Amino acid sequence: DAGVIQSPRHEVTEMGQEVTLRCKPISGHNSLFWYRQTMMRGLELLIYFNNNVPIDDSGMPEDRFSAKMPNASFSTLKIQPSEPRDSAVYFCASSWLQGGVVPEAFFGQGTRLTVV
Amino acid sequence: GQQVMQIPQYQHVQEGEDFTTYCNSSTTLSNIQWYKQRPGGHPVFLIQLVKSGEVKKQKRLTFQFGEAKKNSSLHITATQTTDVGTYFCAGESNYQLIWGAGTKLIIKP
Repeated sequence: DAGVIQSPRHEVTEMGQEVTLRCKPISGHNSLFWYRQTMMRGLELLIYFNNNVPIDDSGMPEDRFSAKMPNASFSTLKIQPSEPRDSAVYFCASSWLQGGVVPEAFFGQGTRLTVV
Repeated sequence: GQQVMQIPQYQHVQEGEDFTTYCNSSTTLSNIQWYKQRPGGHPVFLIQLVKSGEVKKQKRLTFQFGEAKKNSSLHITATQTTDVGTYFCAGESNYQLIWGAGTKLIIKP
């Protein structure tokens, strides 16, 4: 398995533009997580899907952020309009969640977003 | 809300010295996971501790889970340059992972 695949790896965009980040989870996993990592705030959970359904989006910073998971093998995180303070590394992670203990999360390589 | 505090934020050591990072939770955890993130990389799972008082070893790394399941530690014996990175704990509560801020291990030149 190729692991969790994210694209693009790097994105530089101008303030006000729409940004779409993409993620392909590990085949067979039923849970998908979007994280944002910055020096100031560390690793923050933005949203969590289980069986393609958003379970907890309390970490989504504001309405400019939206995430979708149309099927088990694809998810997007969209920022519209983007702002310089959105500059961060965005990670997607997946795992197989069943009853009991939350298992390990497998992270993608991340997308480094710079908004100028 | 629920928090996992991780200290220290940074630790500078000479190669060959030991390193320890600590995590403390405001609530009882179901289990705790540890991850390592190399500079420029992504978090990679190291281990999961489930039982109260559990101790697990991976070569030079020793992981402990407290008796009350509210605290945990990672100890590295005789650090090597390959140990450089940031170590995160993530505690599970109500099927959610609550992440510590990480401890960055820096090897002095």
